Amino acid sequence: EADIYQTPRYLVIGTGKKITLECSQTMGHDKMYWYQQDPGMELHLIHYSYGVNSTEKGDLSSESTVSRIRTEHFPLTLESARPSHTSQYLCASSGDRPNEKLFFGSGTQLSVL
Amino acid sequence: KNQVEQSPQSLIILEGKNCTLQCNYTVSPFSNLRWYKQDTGRGPVSLTIMTFSENTKSNGRYTATLDADTKQSSLHITASQLSDSASYICVVSDRGSTLGRLYFGRGTQLTVWP
Repeated sequence: EADIYQTPRYLVIGTGKKITLECSQTMGHDKMYWYQQDPGMELHLIHYSYGVNSTEKGDLSSESTVSRIRTEHFPLTLESARPSHTSQYLCASSGDRPNEKLFFGSGTQLSVL
Repeated sequence: KNQVEQSPQSLIILEGKNCTLQCNYTVSPFSNLRWYKQDTGRGPVSLTIMTFSENTKSNGRYTATLDADTKQSSLHITASQLSDSASYICVVSDRGSTLGRLYFGRGTQLTVWP
């Protein structure tokens, strides 16, 4: 049902590396989100976008940055990864109406050594 | 403080049995309440969305109820299957902004044994 894709699914990298997590959706949704989730914990919003050239920080402070140059694409970048960035990162999108369903990608499990 | 609390934290049941998961919230103002299923290592998948005026909604073997007066919701799973093993997350949306901020519970981890 969900046409939202994240790559890579798993990523293991060393400290100090620059990484970009990809997220694309083919549903034409204006609203896109990045969440961070640790095991057994709730999802925390770290970035969101209402449309092209619109990005905002979420509730949880994050050293990552995002961009929205195209409607379908919402990549997340970490300039210098640290072990504290180890987590699962979930991308989501939704339509514009208040009770719209939120569609999630399969997530990227990031491990920084 | 706006919060979403779920119980139990984890639950083990035998295949074919029914179970009920609970969600209590303090989010105000209230817009809608959602239940999601999240398989291990995957993103959540929407099961139901209920607004203030709805007190029950079904999706196959999943039935969600909402009592907006007591700010409680439950998710009932009938005739459980092994594939129901997952985390079930309750999410409440407020009407504080055009975005409709979402408040996530920590989930109930359900394990179905054969």
